[in-house]
Amino acid sequence: AQSVAQPEDQVNVAEGNPLTVKCTYSVSGNPYLFWYVQYPNRGLQFLLKYITGDNLVKGSYGFEAEFNKSQTSFHLKKPSALVSDSALYFCAVRDDQAGTALIFGKGTTLSVSS
Amino acid sequence: DAEITQSPRHKITETGRQVTLACHQTWNHNNMFWYRQDLGHGLRLIHYSYGVQDTNKGEVSDGYSVSRSNTEDLPLTLESAASSQTSVYFCASSSRSGGTDTQYFGPGTRLTVL
Repeated sequence: AQSVAQPEDQVNVAEGNPLTVKCTYSVSGNPYLFWYVQYPNRGLQFLLKYITGDNLVKGSYGFEAEFNKSQTSFHLKKPSALVSDSALYFCAVRDDQAGTALIFGKGTTLSVSS
Repeated sequence: DAEITQSPRHKITETGRQVTLACHQTWNHNNMFWYRQDLGHGLRLIHYSYGVQDTNKGEVSDGYSVSRSNTEDLPLTLESAASSQTSVYFCASSSRSGGTDTQYFGPGTRLTVL
């Protein structure tokens, strides 16, 4: 069965420093991976996805993610964090048992201090 | 601009009552999904639909039902609300594809069952 894990409940980083939010996955076939961000009292916003091709995926708001097949990871990164990046981040993988639905990790709260 | 809306945004109801949450999208997407978000669980799939008259059960479908009479709407009904169904509910949609298309989320409905 497909699954995704976000090992950190919270990540704290100072503004201007690089940030990484970790995600590992388990799939039986090809991994289709996604990152979403959720601001307080809002819905989820799409950041980026990996389907195939280049292992470094670039997305919205300066975020990128690195797909690593051997480590089954899909970590979200940003070279220089902003206070406005503080939010809840979800990694997700396509659920092969439910067609095109997604299986989400539990989420990681990113806190960027000024 | 195309969008996905949910109503009501907040709802308080009593145990045993029937409740219907509305979801409407103007993307003309074939695929629609309902998820619930709970602390420590991330988002979990309740029901999904790939087109008119098509509905499917997700991971946590007990106590919920959906119907799809047109492309734009997928209402979620709680047949007899229970306190365990207190949660934030998100509707999402995506276009028809092999599962690589991005899901777009509504703003959510916060439901409290007393």
